[in-house]
Amino acid sequence: DSGVTQTPKHLITATGQRVTLRCSPRSGDLSVYWYQQSLDQGLQFLIQYYNGEERAKGNILERFSAQQFPDLHSELNLSSLELGDSALYFCASSAPGQGSYEQYFGPGTRLTVT
Amino acid sequence: GQNIDQPTEMTATEGAIVQINCTYQTSGFNGLFWYQQHAGEAPTFLSYNVLDGLEEKGRFSSFLSRSKGYSYLLLKELQMKDSASYLCAVRDTDSGYSTLTFGKGTMLLVSP
Repeated sequence: DSGVTQTPKHLITATGQRVTLRCSPRSGDLSVYWYQQSLDQGLQFLIQYYNGEERAKGNILERFSAQQFPDLHSELNLSSLELGDSALYFCASSAPGQGSYEQYFGPGTRLTVT
Repeated sequence: GQNIDQPTEMTATEGAIVQINCTYQTSGFNGLFWYQQHAGEAPTFLSYNVLDGLEEKGRFSSFLSRSKGYSYLLLKELQMKDSASYLCAVRDTDSGYSTLTFGKGTMLLVSP
C-alpha cells in the first residue's frame, strides 16, 4: 500500500459524458501527478500540481482539466469522453524537493468509455 | 523532447539472472528511475540513479552511464513473482520543474 488513494476503482460511462476522478496523496506529500496508461501508449504524464498550484503540463487534452484543493487532494475532470479515453488513470504523489523523491502511485481508476 | 527505449519483452528462467536495458535521450537529465508494474496494478518504485555507477538493493541492481544515456536493471535469482513489466523513467528539469517521462516498459516473463 503506497498511501495514495484513488476513487473510484472502476468507472464505465458513455461517449460524450463527463467524469471526475479523485486522488488523495500520501500524508505530507505536496506534489500530485496524473498519468494515463493505455495498452499502446504506455504511461503518459498528464499534469502536476504542487501545493495547490499547477506546476507542469504533459500530454493533457483540452477536454481534460485538474485541480488540487487546499487539503491537497486532487481531481481530474474528463469531459466529452471518447472511446479512446478508455484507459487506466493513475495518480502519484511525492515529497517536496528535488532529491531522490520517488513518486508513489495510487491503485488507479480504470475508465471504460462505451 | 525525450526519447526512452527499452525492449518490449524478455523471457527468463526461474533462478536465472536477467538484464533489462534502457537508453534515453534528454536534455536537463536529473535522475533515472526503475519501476515494477504487475498487470492492472500500480507501478512500484525499485531504484533511483543520478550518478554514474551501480546501485544495489537486494536481488535488484541498477546501473547508469550518463555519458552514454544508458541504464540497466539487473534482476538476480529470478522468482515467478518477478514476472511483470519494468518501466524505465527519466526525470527531466528542462522546464524548470521535475517531471518523469516513462518508457513503454519491458514485459518480463519468468518461466519454471
